[in-house]
Amino acid sequence: DAGVIQSPRHEVTEMGQEVTLRCKPISGHDYLFWYRQTMMRGLELLIYFNNNVPIDDSGMPEDRFSAKMPNASFSTLKIQPSEPRDSAVYFCASSPSVGVVGQPQHFGDGTRLSIL
Amino acid sequence: AQTVTQSQPEMSVQEAETVTLSCTYDTSESNYYLFWYKQPPSRQMILVIRQEAYKQQNATENRFSVNFQKAAKSFSLKISDSQLGDTAMYFCASETQGGSEKLVFGKGTKLTVNP
Repeated sequence: DAGVIQSPRHEVTEMGQEVTLRCKPISGHDYLFWYRQTMMRGLELLIYFNNNVPIDDSGMPEDRFSAKMPNASFSTLKIQPSEPRDSAVYFCASSPSVGVVGQPQHFGDGTRLSIL
Repeated sequence: AQTVTQSQPEMSVQEAETVTLSCTYDTSESNYYLFWYKQPPSRQMILVIRQEAYKQQNATENRFSVNFQKAAKSFSLKISDSQLGDTAMYFCASETQGGSEKLVFGKGTKLTVNP
């Protein structure tokens, strides 16, 4: 079975540019999560969706960040304009409904984003 | 608010030996789930083991087992017969019941298995 698929795997761009990260969750999973990982702050949850609806975006750092899930098989995380402090590894994860709570999240391989 | 604390930033162990990674958490919920994830240098996040708080029995998965002390809010991971492939960052995480599927992660422990 295909796991969570993220693209691109690496992204290097200049400050001020728009960045779009993409995620395809595991088929049949109702929950999708976006995380950011940095050395200083560890793994932080940015936003998560249930059935394509954003449930909690309290972790989104600023208005420069936005996320969408137009359908059950695709989500994007966009940063506009990007800044050097946005450099991090961004993970997408998905999990099935349940019994819901306690279902493990399955992570993609992450996108390493570098803003110059 | 939930918090998860991993007090050991780095640890090392000799191949074939046993190592224990510590994790403590804080939650006001009565039922919750605890996880250990492994992140090798390849950057993947891999589920190692899961524990349901209402279950008294400690979870085990082959060479991996947990010591779950609910009263102490402690959830340590024991790796037996350590292998070179166990070298990775290990993250402890908690998830509470009650309408939220959010995971809260600790800062991680970097484990190095030496030959």
